[in-house]
Amino acid sequence: QVQLQESGPGLVKPSETLSLTCAVSGYSISSGYYWGWIRQPPGKGLEWIGTMYHSGSTYYNPSLESRVTILVDTSKNQFSLKVSSVTAADTAVYYCARTLVGSPRSAFDIWGQGTMVTVSS
Amino acid sequence: DIVMTQSPDSLAVSLGERATINCKSSQSVLDSSDNKNYLTWYQQKPGQPPKLLIFWASTRESGVPDRFSGSGSGTDFTLTISSLQAEDVAVYYCQQYYSIPYTFGQGTKLEIK
Repeated sequence: QVQLQESGPGLVKPSETLSLTCAVSGYSISSGYYWGWIRQPPGKGLEWIGTMYHSGSTYYNPSLESRVTILVDTSKNQFSLKVSSVTAADTAVYYCARTLVGSPRSAFDIWGQGTMVTVSS
Repeated sequence: DIVMTQSPDSLAVSLGERATINCKSSQSVLDSSDNKNYLTWYQQKPGQPPKLLIFWASTRESGVPDRFSGSGSGTDFTLTISSLQAEDVAVYYCQQYYSIPYTFGQGTKLEIK
């Protein structure tokens, strides 16, 4: 079955760049669907960060767009998230997920377990 | 941005009773080109990622018990659990994927009375 696994540093210093990777198994990213990132600050709700296609097309939350980059590495069957100039407000559990249908306008049906990232000096 | 507002923020229901969670969007999420409501419901248990329950406002995801149902159109939506089970204790979120940024409701915490 399709599985997603986030990885990356659990602690990032303020003003630095947060970098996470989502490894996909059981399905080739190049075969279709869209892939996204969602985050959840501790004890709070969910925030959509962005969605990408293996061709490189990306869709970002305008509130984060100036600091966010989502890239795909089809050779490794994974995609990544970079958030620059982080502050404490970027502290959250970060999830990667796959869309239900082959469109960016879609619910997410398969999620990773999430990885906690804390921004602190 | 489309603002999604859920009510209530928390809810306590007896086992076997009906639970109803509402979600209101600040503008319509019904796309007239395909007559679909771009609205989904997720269930999230502590320490777990969200789980997809309902999409297109009323289509149940495969494997989701039929006690879960979604209804509504345009700006007003409802998630109903017809007979609450102990394993349904969770936080429930609605989300619109009609327009960017895709936004979530604040969540409704469902507990057993």
